[in-house]
Amino acid sequence: GAVVSQHPSRVICKSGTSVKIECRSLDFQATTMFWYRQFPKQSLMLMATSNEGSKATYEQGVEKDKFLINHASLTLSTLTVTSAHPEDSSFYICSARATGAGNYGYTFGSGTRLTVV
Amino acid sequence: AQSVAQPEDQVKVAEGNPLTVKCTYSVSGNPYLFWYVQYPNRGLQFLLKYITGDNLVKGSYGFEAEFNKSQTSFHLKKPSALVSDSALYFCAVRDVNSGNTPLVFGKGTRLSVIA
Repeated sequence: GAVVSQHPSRVICKSGTSVKIECRSLDFQATTMFWYRQFPKQSLMLMATSNEGSKATYEQGVEKDKFLINHASLTLSTLTVTSAHPEDSSFYICSARATGAGNYGYTFGSGTRLTVV
Repeated sequence: AQSVAQPEDQVKVAEGNPLTVKCTYSVSGNPYLFWYVQYPNRGLQFLLKYITGDNLVKGSYGFEAEFNKSQTSFHLKKPSALVSDSALYFCAVRDVNSGNTPLVFGKGTRLSVIA
């Protein structure tokens, strides 16, 4: 079935540095990738929708200059948290829509636990 | 607008007993409905979906859910709970006619199965 590989699974970084999270669709083309953020014991909050070859669409309240999304190919989307601060610590999950997949197209990465110290 | 409500933050059941995790939804048209499970520090794992057809949907690990259009519900059920079922469960919805849009998730229900 459709698989999305997300890396890294865990990252610890210092305040002020940038962190890149990658999501790759392994056996399908992901024209659209959704990026979510999950706070402890809370639901998934959609941050942005990235479309291959065009600018990402950000949800209200999400800083596009802080959370840079690049979707340069049909199999790779990246989220870069720039100048990270402790309040950016969270669990980030990507999701891609694959046509014809058994779960009607929504496949999730395994998530990235970001801790900013 | 689409929305999902999971009225229970937590559900506790004894091992071997049946379990139900509740979900109600709101969409302007017809819904696509999903259940996902999340284990600690992991991504979401697909359990089952309702797209069309039979209202009773059977999914992974013995879970099932019943689509009830009149009550706009899609409760998750399992006849006999296992300790290993303890996890965070999310219900999600998408309007059939909403195109290439993301799923809308409920806030999640933490299931604890007690041995």
